Amino acid sequence: NAGVTQTPKFQVLKTGQSMTLQCAQDMNHEYMSWYRQDPGMGLRLIHYSVGAGITDQGEVPNGYNVSRSTTEDFPLRLLSAAPSQTSVYFCASSSTFSGGAGNEQFFGPGTRLTVL
Amino acid sequence: GENVEQHPSTLSVQEGDSAVIKCTYSDSASNYFPWYKQELGKGPQLIIDIRSNVGEKKDQRIAVTLNKTAKHFSLHITETQPEDSAVYFCAAFRWGAQKLVFGQGTRLTINP
Repeated sequence: NAGVTQTPKFQVLKTGQSMTLQCAQDMNHEYMSWYRQDPGMGLRLIHYSVGAGITDQGEVPNGYNVSRSTTEDFPLRLLSAAPSQTSVYFCASSSTFSGGAGNEQFFGPGTRLTVL
Repeated sequence: GENVEQHPSTLSVQEGDSAVIKCTYSDSASNYFPWYKQELGKGPQLIIDIRSNVGEKKDQRIAVTLNKTAKHFSLHITETQPEDSAVYFCAAFRWGAQKLVFGQGTRLTINP
């Protein structure tokens, strides 16, 4: 299994440009999520999905869109990039998220995004 | 909503000594508390977790303790080794919330 994969690894955008960060998992996990990591602020949840066709907002959803058309893929779209969106983005998945077994979240290697 | 505070932000210890990282949470309904380790250039990886019905859990050199009354939990690493150098994150979860809330992270450096 490849686990959780993310592309690209690095990206530089200009203010106002749009792009999609790709995330895929091959573990048949129902739960997927996107986080951003900024210095001194830990990991903050952007959006999450509990299954195909179901998405919801996390702590910092503004400026980002997601969709979940398949179990495997969970792309994150930046609609109009801003310098405040410069960050490292992580995608994660878990088989469930109920507080019981299967809670472990598996993280991808991250995408480092710079917005000029 | 839930808020998780983590201290210290940086920690430097001599190889072989112990390291302790502490977290406090605000939502008394939180019932699951994982710890993640992030090595340079990689995504975080779960190293240990504890549920609210347990006070302590150990796995070889790492242990986690939970004090529900005080709403804090701690990660203990004994006999530290150079490969323990990483950023560590605590997190809290409440059944039904479907969201993990992470602390700010602790950069642990093990000095040889």
